[in-house]
Amino acid sequence: ETGVTQTPRHLVMGMTNKKSLKCEQHLGHNAMYWYKQSAKKPLELMFVYSLEERVENNSVPSRFSPECPNSSHLFLHLHTLQPEDSALYLCASSQDERVYTGELFFGEGSRLTVL
Amino acid sequence: AQKVTQAQTEISVVEKEDVTLDCVYETRDTTYYLFWYKQPPSGELVFLIRRNSFDEQNEISGRYSWNFQKSTSSFNFTITASQVVDSAVYFCALIPAYGQNFVFGPGTRLSVLP
Repeated sequence: ETGVTQTPRHLVMGMTNKKSLKCEQHLGHNAMYWYKQSAKKPLELMFVYSLEERVENNSVPSRFSPECPNSSHLFLHLHTLQPEDSALYLCASSQDERVYTGELFFGEGSRLTVL
Repeated sequence: AQKVTQAQTEISVVEKEDVTLDCVYETRDTTYYLFWYKQPPSGELVFLIRRNSFDEQNEISGRYSWNFQKSTSSFNFTITASQVVDSAVYFCALIPAYGQNFVFGPGTRLSVLP
């Protein structure tokens, strides 16, 4: 199994739908992250979970709701999204909750299109 | 505030050419870490290197080399004898020590043509 697995890889949803993105890491890491990658924009950190507790939320709209039930799984629940939310959503993990000690390991991303 | 600039949006080279990707950063922190990541077409970002602010030694790893110059706040990445498999988007990133938020540059798309 690859280190960080994201499902689904592609998702198309209407603005009134509710869907979830799933991330699973098989690396025994303690911190997990959601990043958003839009066209022509730098990677944006959305949420950070360290030891299953949210430690950072970069002013993300409430239509994005993260959930971290355990250190291996991370979800991003989506509801009433806008077309501008269409992007590649990347999950990442790091070994230590002190991020600066090491690198991030990324999944392949979930490509979201909001119609 | 931190900022990472990658002025080159896209670069195209022919296989076997050398290519340098530029990265310039801004930070007020005295201790920080710099990274390079590669994003191939499959989507995942792959870690290439980490360098802390106190280590200005250049590093070479196979065809890859990095030039860290604190005086100019630059952390440039050179690929020697480029190959088609090097085609990807490359991101430079900065994180202050004790921080949790990587600041990524906008990325440079490298195309290596056969």
